[in-house]
Amino acid sequence: KAGVTQTPRYLIKTRGQQVTLSCSPISGHRSVSWYQQTPGQGLQFLFEYFSETQRNKGNFPGRFSGRQFSNSRSEMNVSTLELGDSALYLCASTFVRQGQESNQPQHFGDGTRLSIL
Amino acid sequence: AQTVTQSQPEMSVQEAETVTLSCTYDTSESDYYLFWYKQPPSRQMILVIRQEAYKQQNATENRFSVNFQKAAKSFSLKISDSQLGDAAMYFCAYRSYSSNFGNEKLTFGTGTRLTIIP
Repeated sequence: KAGVTQTPRYLIKTRGQQVTLSCSPISGHRSVSWYQQTPGQGLQFLFEYFSETQRNKGNFPGRFSGRQFSNSRSEMNVSTLELGDSALYLCASTFVRQGQESNQPQHFGDGTRLSIL
Repeated sequence: AQTVTQSQPEMSVQEAETVTLSCTYDTSESDYYLFWYKQPPSRQMILVIRQEAYKQQNATENRFSVNFQKAAKSFSLKISDSQLGDAAMYFCAYRSYSSNFGNEKLTFGTGTRLTIIP
């Protein structure tokens, strides 16, 4: 079974630009979560999508947005990039059944390293 | 809000020896999950072990085991017979239990960098 796939692995942008990151979950996984990892702030939760709906959102400005498609693939968008957005962005997928508690762990991708110049 | 604290930024252990990584957390919830993840230089976060708070028995996965003390809100990871491949950043993580809506949000500690000395 293929794991969580994130593209691209590396990305270099300049301030003010926008960027879109992609995540393909493990087949059958309908929940996709996004995290930002930086040396200063550590791992921080961005948001989670399930069945094309955002279920949870972390404490990030509105410049950070996401969406999920009917095939569970997810994209994350950051607009008006700032130097502080330089980070490793991790995507994780989980097997979840609608309306049921999930005791399944999250499976992570290799991340996208975003550098802002 | 829940918080997770890992007080050991770095640890080292001789190959084949045993090492324990500490984790404490703060929550007012009674049902939740706790996880240990490792992140080697390759970046991928890999699940090491998990514990459901309602289970009193400590989880074990081969050379990895936890000491879960619910009242003390402590969740330490013991690695036995340490191997070179165990070298990584280890993160402790908390997830709430939610039977109605679902909640996959993980709250992570700051991590412990484990070095294995040959």
